Order: sequence, then structure tokens, then C-alpha cells
Amino acid sequence: GENVEQHPSTLSVQEGDSAVIKCTYSDSASNYFPWYKQELGKRPQLIIDIRSNVGEKKDQRIAVTLNKTAKHFSLHITETQPEDSAVYFCAASIRIKAAGNKLTFGGGTRVLVKP
Amino acid sequence: DAGVIQSPRHEVTEMGQEVTLRCKPISGHDYLFWYRQTMMRGLELLIYFNNNVPIDDSGMPEDRFSAKMPNASFSTLKIQPSEPRDSAVYFCASSFRRDTDTQYFGPGTRLTVL
Repeated sequence: GENVEQHPSTLSVQEGDSAVIKCTYSDSASNYFPWYKQELGKRPQLIIDIRSNVGEKKDQRIAVTLNKTAKHFSLHITETQPEDSAVYFCAASIRIKAAGNKLTFGGGTRVLVKP
Repeated sequence: DAGVIQSPRHEVTEMGQEVTLRCKPISGHDYLFWYRQTMMRGLELLIYFNNNVPIDDSGMPEDRFSAKMPNASFSTLKIQPSEPRDSAVYFCASSFRRDTDTQYFGPGTRLTVL
């Protein structure tokens, strides 16, 4: 089955700096890569996703890049703010219409933004 | 919409007892997922349903775990008998067939087995 590795496990940045989280996946058939943010004691929430036919996607201060050849994808947060402090999870799946998405999650990155 | 609803939010039980977790997906959603989150193993998919039918239960850890979806608005995850290693946060999530990418998570049930 799919295996997703995520690094680093913890990341401390100064407010205003950028944060980068990297993930690798094992199944070359995976074609959908979402990122979830989980605040302490809360549920995971989707913040951005990318499909295998796209190399980069941006939404305000967050962006995701995908390298299919190397089987890795990254989350970039620019101009970090204290409210960006959370655990971030990457995931990979083979998106099959009418069969849904079976997500395999990375181990998570705890991001701390210091004011 | 109230979002995905889970109950109870917290459950403390003793080893050997039966535990039933409940989930109400977002109205109109066709897919329902059960996840388990622990510090050691992270976020794991246990089972998911499409139109009330189990599609993949390969993540269910062992026979002590079972899940049902008797109708489109209700699902249960049962552990019988429970063990201390089952202590975790259990999340239910749902998605819509026309946007199967986005999974909406419920608030989770924190289970503690003593």
C-alpha cells in the first residue's frame, strides 16, 4: 500500500519567516495530495490540495508544489503568523471517481510560530 | 449545516467493556470514513463507506472492531472487548460524490480505556 513520509516532525519559525514541510510518497499511481491543518484539540481541516496534473498551486500565503518524478510534494507558508501554529498533515491517495479517496497520511509536522 | 456530528465527545471505559462510537455525516454526503489518531501511529484510516456500503475495511485493526452504516445519516464504530491500546481519538469524516476530494472531519471522540 501507499506510504507517506513527512519531514520535519517539528518546525519552529519566527513570525514573518517562511515555513516549508516536505513529504514523499511511495505509490506512483497516487494522484491527489491534500494538506490538512489541525489545531490543538481540534479536527483536521483541509487547507490546500493538488492533483497530479498540476505542478504548483497557491492560495494567499500557502502554496504546494508537486514533483511526480521524484514522488515528493511540499507545503510552503510565507509570512507566518502566530495563528499558523498547528500540526500539519500531508496525505496521498489514488482518486477514483465513484470510489472516493482513500487517504494515507504523513506523520505530521508540529509548527510553532514565535512572535 | 451542523457539519459532521460525533458522539460521545469523550468516553472513558474499563478494559473488556464494549464501546460504541457514533457518527452523523453531513446531509447529502455519500462517503463516510472512520479514522483513528494516536501519537505513535498518527492518523489512520480504519474503514470507509460509499452509499452505506463498506468499500475498504483493510485498516480495521482486528476482529474486535466493527463498523456499520444502517442508513445514510448514521454510522457506528464498535469495539468489543476494548483494550487499553485502543485509547485514541476517533474521527469520522464525510465527503460528497461530486467533490470526493474534500473530506470534512467531525470533532472526534476521545476514547480512554483503563
